[in-house]
Amino acid sequence: GQQLNQSPQSMFIQEGEDVSMNCTSSSIFNTWLWYKQDPGEGPVLLIALYKAGELTSNGRLTAQFGITRKDSFLNISASIPSDVGIYFCAGGETSGSRLTFGEGTQLTVNP
Amino acid sequence: GAVVSQHPSWVICKSGTSVKIECRSLDFQATTMFWYRQFPKQSLMLMATSNEGSKATYEQGVEKDKFLINHASLTLSTLTVTSAHPEDSSFYICSAEPDFGGYNEQFFGPGTRLTVL
Repeated sequence: GQQLNQSPQSMFIQEGEDVSMNCTSSSIFNTWLWYKQDPGEGPVLLIALYKAGELTSNGRLTAQFGITRKDSFLNISASIPSDVGIYFCAGGETSGSRLTFGEGTQLTVNP
Repeated sequence: GAVVSQHPSWVICKSGTSVKIECRSLDFQATTMFWYRQFPKQSLMLMATSNEGSKATYEQGVEKDKFLINHASLTLSTLTVTSAHPEDSSFYICSAEPDFGGYNEQFFGPGTRLTVL
């Protein structure tokens, strides 16, 4: 089946630093989604991307849909302690179909 | 908008009993809902895709007689873990894809922590 390679697996940064994480796939996706999950909670949708090359921002977060449709990255600028959590990328094919999830990036922000 | 609730948020039960988990989309309709299972420090594992008014589609290796899914309305799907055993203890999360708006966006519930003694 399809697999998403998400990297890095974990990051330890200082408050105020910028963060970058990415996902790559051997298959094409029509949608790329980025989620954040806090401990004991369900994932929360951060950004949705629908078009190759699309660059979308949500506050301090910016994500891009790769031009080949096989990759996506998420940047977080000027990190703050509440950015701590696990970030998942997900690729989708068609409406109503399953999403393929990456393994997650555990982000730790030191004050 | 796009809020999904789950009930209960946690449940402890004895081995052999059945447990029902509800997933509701509060402010939108969802023809398609999904049920996931998550183990500590791991990604989400899709168990089944639930479509309103029809039978759920289960992922390979998921026992459909053990994990009964019912999607009786456009805002409610239920997962029943039948004859639960300790190995069924896990974090169960549902998601719903709105009938409106973007392509493939799924909005997740807060999850249900199941502990089987």
